[in-house]
Amino acid sequence: DQQVKQNSPSLSVQEGRISILNCDYTNSMFDYFLWYKKYPAEGPTFLISISSIKDKNEDGRFTVFLNKSAKHLSLHIVPSQPGDSAVYFCAASDAQGAQKLVFGQGTRLTINP
Amino acid sequence: GAVVSQHPSRVICKSGTSVKIECRSLDFQATTMFWYRQFPKQSLMLMATSNEGSKATYEQGVEKDKFLINHASLTLSTLTVTSAHPEDSSFYICSAREGGPSSYNEQFFGPGTRLTVL
Repeated sequence: DQQVKQNSPSLSVQEGRISILNCDYTNSMFDYFLWYKKYPAEGPTFLISISSIKDKNEDGRFTVFLNKSAKHLSLHIVPSQPGDSAVYFCAASDAQGAQKLVFGQGTRLTINP
Repeated sequence: GAVVSQHPSRVICKSGTSVKIECRSLDFQATTMFWYRQFPKQSLMLMATSNEGSKATYEQGVEKDKFLINHASLTLSTLTVTSAHPEDSSFYICSAREGGPSSYNEQFFGPGTRLTVL
């Protein structure tokens, strides 16, 4: 069963516009959520995270929103830049699970000049 | 940020042989290391969690006798794929973090190892 789902395999956005990547989860025990950026043949790079006690966390151009009642989180990138083109994974963990990360399937973001 | 390296970056081997992949934390002590595999266009799937000096904990469906994990020091963990078969061809990624199971610290990922079994 896929506990973390990214239903959009790809997303194309114009440079300068906002990119919104979505993620849904099913396990109510998850209490920490992360977004990673990944280039082909490389390991994931941490972008931003959010604890379940918050509903928003912002870091520069990146903002993550968490809606616990809907078990949904989103990553907003604004303004989008060509260098943002990559695959984005959301991941979740719970305090009882030794912080094991459960990853979504990823969304390939393409920023068009 | 912390650096995690993997070696080799890619390996091609014949079916039936064993392959060892190393994961090193270069500038911090990694009490816990994780091993993932990623099939093309799919998610990263956790294979096992290893804590320095103790046996690895494998996820359901992962054969511990096939994927041998050793975490003998605070900076090195190895994954050995024994008697590799073509279906083991995948992208293997490790991650490492400081602190034991009760603490939450960020995981730092290695660059991955592309294994191709002919």
